[in-house]
Amino acid sequence: EDQVTQSPEALRLQEGESSSLNCSYTVSGLRGLFWYRQDPGKGPEFLFTLYSAGEEKEKERLKATLTKKESFLHITAPKPEDSATYLCAVPANSGGSNYKLTFGKGTLLTVNP
Amino acid sequence: EPEVTQTPSHQVTQMGQEVILRCVPISNHLYFYWYRQILGQKVEFLVSFYNNEISEKSEIFDDQFSVERPDGSNFTLKIRSTKLEDSAMYFCASKRGQGDQPQHFGDGTRLSIL
Repeated sequence: EDQVTQSPEALRLQEGESSSLNCSYTVSGLRGLFWYRQDPGKGPEFLFTLYSAGEEKEKERLKATLTKKESFLHITAPKPEDSATYLCAVPANSGGSNYKLTFGKGTLLTVNP
Repeated sequence: EPEVTQTPSHQVTQMGQEVILRCVPISNHLYFYWYRQILGQKVEFLVSFYNNEISEKSEIFDDQFSVERPDGSNFTLKIRSTKLEDSAMYFCASKRGQGDQPQHFGDGTRLSIL
């Protein structure tokens, strides 16, 4: 069974204090890894897809990286508006092309001004 | 930018009643999904739908649940005889094509069963 574990569960940073979030996964044949951002009372908002070890994607202050066992979401000089829960998810191939997502519990990031 | 739209944003229902949650996926998307998130827990898969039929369903998705795409734009989740434990956020998602393309989510319906 596919498993996704995220750490830490919660992270408090001061504005400008860089850090990283971790997502470790156990899947039978990785077909990509997705990062989402979820604001309170909202649905997950797609950020990145990573497909192979060594791949990196960037968007503003966020950079996602992937190894064979885990992914990191690096946040450089965060701002209060980066406060959100960051979710990691992997698609499962249960047959066909539907690829249901298995999510981690997320990391609740709070950036204080 | 196109988005997935869900209605209502909040639904309060008495236990035992039926509810229908509605979703309008992104217009050129072909794969549709329902997920739910119980407060404080993971987002969990319920069902996937493609070519007017269910592709896969989780153990949660029992006979109490059904999905339908009644026309070219709407995608609905019906829960019959609701239970207290059905209280959760229900998210609709859609994906353009096959393979590992990202799923795009709506903002959810908060379902409260009294």
